[in-house]
Amino acid sequence: GDSVIQMQGQVTLSENDFLFINCTYSTTGYPTLFWYVQYSGEGPQLLLQVTTANNKGSSRGFEATYDKGTTSFHLQKTSVQEIDSAVYYCAMNGSSGNKLIFGIGTLLSVKP
Amino acid sequence: NAGVIQTPRHKVTGKGQEATLWCEPISGHSAVFWYRQTIVQGLEFLTYFRNQAPIDDSGMPKERFSAQMPNQSHSTLKIQSTQPQDSAVYLCASSFGQNTEVFFGKGTRLTVV
Repeated sequence: GDSVIQMQGQVTLSENDFLFINCTYSTTGYPTLFWYVQYSGEGPQLLLQVTTANNKGSSRGFEATYDKGTTSFHLQKTSVQEIDSAVYYCAMNGSSGNKLIFGIGTLLSVKP
Repeated sequence: NAGVIQTPRHKVTGKGQEATLWCEPISGHSAVFWYRQTIVQGLEFLTYFRNQAPIDDSGMPKERFSAQMPNQSHSTLKIQSTQPQDSAVYLCASSFGQNTEVFFGKGTRLTVV
């Protein structure tokens, strides 16, 4: 079945550090890949959608790339800020259509 | 646009009691989803409606859990005979259509004591 594996469970950085989060996926379909961010007390909200292999999406200083050859997708930001502290989820809608399948989430803590 | 509205935000039930969680999707959205969020399992898909019809309930536990969408403006998730392992944040989400952005509510934190 469809699955998404998110490697980093928790990441602690200092302001202006580089952020990189990696996910891999497995599906028999043609996936659309997403990054969601969840701030404390809120529901997840869409950060980026990546639909074309080897293309980048970008939003709020974050960039997402997708490598179809390695079935992986990445989220990165050159210089994180304290306000970026949140949980970041990779997600996919694969062969099963509209429902999203999420990775386990990465808790990002950015220290001032 | 108030977004997806979930009530109550917090609910505490005794073991064996019933819990009903409410969701009001964004007006005009045809797809409604329920997810369960825990520290251990993360975000787990439960069930999905499109135009009020149940489409996929593959994530729903077979016993005690049920979901309905009696009209386009609300959906309910009902858990009968709640158990401590049902304690979680239950998230409702909606989207305009196929492959469009999914918007989540703030969730209902259910605690079974």
